[in-house]
Amino acid sequence: GENVEQHPSTLSVQEGDSAVIKCTYSDSASNYFPWYKQELGKRPQLIIDIRSNVGEKKDQRIAVTLNKTAKHFSLHITETQPEDSAVYFCAANGGSQGNLIFGKGTKLSVKP
Amino acid sequence: DAGVIQSPRHEVTEMGQEVTLRCKPISGHNSLFWYRQTMMRGLELLIYFNNNVPIDDSGMPEDRFSAKMPNASFSTLKIQPSEPRDSAVYFCASSPLAGEQYFGPGTRLTVT
Repeated sequence: GENVEQHPSTLSVQEGDSAVIKCTYSDSASNYFPWYKQELGKRPQLIIDIRSNVGEKKDQRIAVTLNKTAKHFSLHITETQPEDSAVYFCAANGGSQGNLIFGKGTKLSVKP
Repeated sequence: DAGVIQSPRHEVTEMGQEVTLRCKPISGHNSLFWYRQTMMRGLELLIYFNNNVPIDDSGMPEDRFSAKMPNASFSTLKIQPSEPRDSAVYFCASSPLAGEQYFGPGTRLTVT
């Protein structure tokens, strides 16, 4: 079955710097890769996703890149702000039925 | 447009008691997922349904856990009997078939 590895587990940056979180997956059949942001005490919220027919997708300060050959994808946040502080989860779909396999999460801290 | 609705939001119970968690998915979504989140194990998929049919329950930790989806607008996750190690936040999520998953607010369960 699918396995998703996420690195780093914690990341601390200064406000205004960029942050990059990387994930690898094992199942070459996976074709959908969402990213979720979870603030303390709240639900995971979808922030961006990418499907395997594209290599990069951008939405304002966040972008996701996908390398299907290497089976890895990354989240890039530019011009970080304190409100970006949260735990970020990557995921990959585990099959045609639509279930997701999540990484262990990255705790991002943005220092003002 | 209402999102995924879960009840109760908090549940405190004593070991050995039965616990029932409830979920109402977003109208029109075909898939429903139950997750458990703890610090130690992260976000774990317990079971998911497509069109009210259980597809994969391999994540259900043991026979004390059961889930049902009697119709397209309601699902329950039951733990009987409950144990202290079941303490966690339980999330329900729904999606269109193989589409983006949207999470409910979660139920924080404490078993003493």
